[in-house]
Amino acid sequence: EAAVTQSPRSKVAVTGGKVTLSCHQTNNHDYMYWYRQDTGHGLRLIHYSYVADSTEKGDIPDGYKASRPSQENFSLILELASLSQTAVYFCASSGRDRGPERLFFGHGTKLSVL
Amino acid sequence: QQKVQQSPESLTVSEGAMASLNCTFSDRSSDNFRWYRQHSGKGLEVLVSIFSDGEKEEGSFTAHLNRASLHVFLHIREPQPSDSALYLCAVSPASSGSWQLIFGSGTQLTVMP
Repeated sequence: EAAVTQSPRSKVAVTGGKVTLSCHQTNNHDYMYWYRQDTGHGLRLIHYSYVADSTEKGDIPDGYKASRPSQENFSLILELASLSQTAVYFCASSGRDRGPERLFFGHGTKLSVL
Repeated sequence: QQKVQQSPESLTVSEGAMASLNCTFSDRSSDNFRWYRQHSGKGLEVLVSIFSDGEKEEGSFTAHLNRASLHVFLHIREPQPSDSALYLCAVSPASSGSWQLIFGSGTQLTVMP
């Protein structure tokens, strides 16, 4: 079964510190995405990638960097974490073909910045 | 830019009573519409996806798309307390391909026993 695994599941960080969220997929998918969800609200796209060694900005990229070192791995990096970045972060992957059923989400990483 | 809005923000229904959720979008040329569910503290679960005007049923979930009125509805037949969750509507703009999703802010559904 297709799988997207995120790590860590939760993290507490200090303001100004560096945070790296990791995502690994075994779906052999070309596309990977990072979304942010604020409590009780929908998801917003931060960064995405459609090929290894290349990333693209989503709707809210400020304060975040992304890295796609291989097809399977996609990281989200907060160089200087801020209070406003407290949220749940979801990674997802999808295949090259169009089709909503092919979008797979990880279970999320809950980030608390203090 | 595509805007996706959901209503109501919260909805309480009794067990077994039909629940109807509304999602409006701004770009009539959008071509992929999906409903997700998220139980508290859990990940996203896709419920139903629809490409063309009309209805699509997946188990107890039915999506109804009307591009002319810029609406996509989700009807939940005979909901159970276990269906209590945040329901998210997502739309793919036609220009983006299926990879880009614009999410609504969600409807928090509570099903009372």
